[in-house]
Amino acid sequence: EDQVTQSPEALRLQEGESSSLNCSYTVSGLRGLFWYRQDPGKGPEFLFTLYSAGEEKEKERLKATLTKKESFLHITAPKPEDSATYLCAVPINAGNMLTFGGGTRLMVKP
Amino acid sequence: GAVVSQHPSRVICKSGTSVKIECRSLDFQATTMFWYRQFPKQSLMLMATSNEGSKATYEQGVEKDKFLINHASLTLSTLTVTSAHPEDSSFYICSARVSGGETQYFGPGTRLLVL
Repeated sequence: EDQVTQSPEALRLQEGESSSLNCSYTVSGLRGLFWYRQDPGKGPEFLFTLYSAGEEKEKERLKATLTKKESFLHITAPKPEDSATYLCAVPINAGNMLTFGGGTRLMVKP
Repeated sequence: GAVVSQHPSRVICKSGTSVKIECRSLDFQATTMFWYRQFPKQSLMLMATSNEGSKATYEQGVEKDKFLINHASLTLSTLTVTSAHPEDSSFYICSARVSGGETQYFGPGTRLLVL
């Protein structure tokens, strides 16, 4: 069964304290893995798409990496404005329906 | 680029009335749009997949007669919550997939409160 699991569920960091969020997946024939950021009361904001193991993408303080079993979202020297819920998702059928992980709620304290 | 809008952003209605939510892809064409529902502190739950010019595909447990979806053009899909009840109160989010692409771009969401 196709599954996406994120850990931890919540993460508290001090400003400047780097860390990583994990997204584990079991999907046959991966056709992409997506990372989104969601702020309270808003729709998810697209961050990255990764397609193959070994691929990396960066945007400001965020870097996403992909292996055959999991993806990591590395946050370097986070700032309070990075506080949000980070979601990963994979398409699981021909219609590209996305299956989401449960999300990681990141809180960065000044 | 890849901007998706939703209207309205929030709506309050009386029980028994119908509410229409619009989802537009502003700067790209989307043959496929998706409608999600999200409860507080939970992840997104797919309700239906909407393809331009054809009937929507509903997920198991989603009543197609209650949640009417129309995808009349490559840039517009609408979700109508018919005879809304308090339990329909939720955050509704649409997404659009760029034609020929994989990535879904999400709208800002619509907060529905049924009194």
